[in-house]
Amino acid sequence: KNEVEQSPQNLTAQEGEFITINCSYSVGISALHWLQQHPGGGIVSLFMLSSGKKKHGRLIATINIQEKHSSLHITASHPRDSAVYICAVMRPGNQFYFGTGTSLTVIP
Amino acid sequence: NAGVTQTPKFRILKIGQSMTLQCTQDMNHNYMYWYRQDPGMGLKLIYYSVGAGITDKGEVPNGYNVSRSTTEDFPLRLELAAPSQTSVYFCASREETQYFGPGTRLLVL
Repeated sequence: KNEVEQSPQNLTAQEGEFITINCSYSVGISALHWLQQHPGGGIVSLFMLSSGKKKHGRLIATINIQEKHSSLHITASHPRDSAVYICAVMRPGNQFYFGTGTSLTVIP
Repeated sequence: NAGVTQTPKFRILKIGQSMTLQCTQDMNHNYMYWYRQDPGMGLKLIYYSVGAGITDKGEVPNGYNVSRSTTEDFPLRLELAAPSQTSVYFCASREETQYFGPGTRLLVL
């Protein structure tokens, strides 16, 4: 069983739709990261969370430590948001464990 | 700042050959990581370092070695390449946010 589970695995949305990607984890963590992997393979960090909520532009990330759950929301989705979104948890001791990613396609 | 750089971008190895994947960061980060990414699988941590002279094993360290003689450099060594090491390798560094290198695609035949 993976320490980090993401859902859905694949997601197709129409441009403008509100999107939610979920991440559940089963271990104690010191922080959770959301990453974006572009079709060309490059990986960019979107958020680091240890509690509450963060917002950057059209992206919002939330975390509930008690429920071991995080969500990434994209408002007013755009075709350029098409990418793989990866949840990663940082355990005490600085090791990272990753979900398998959610592949998002936004259709114009 | 160049950020995190990795070389080479792509390499084909024969079974049993050795090679070193280079990783350099210019952000003076203490934490550095090596990951591998296989198709359909999440990133897996191979080795990590919390500062110069300090390294530790991650989830999948077998067949690899690392060193961290300077803050900037964190090379990953494959001693006896095996087909199971065919993968894309990413180096990353962080203070809070992780910064990833562009990746090295390795094919072992």
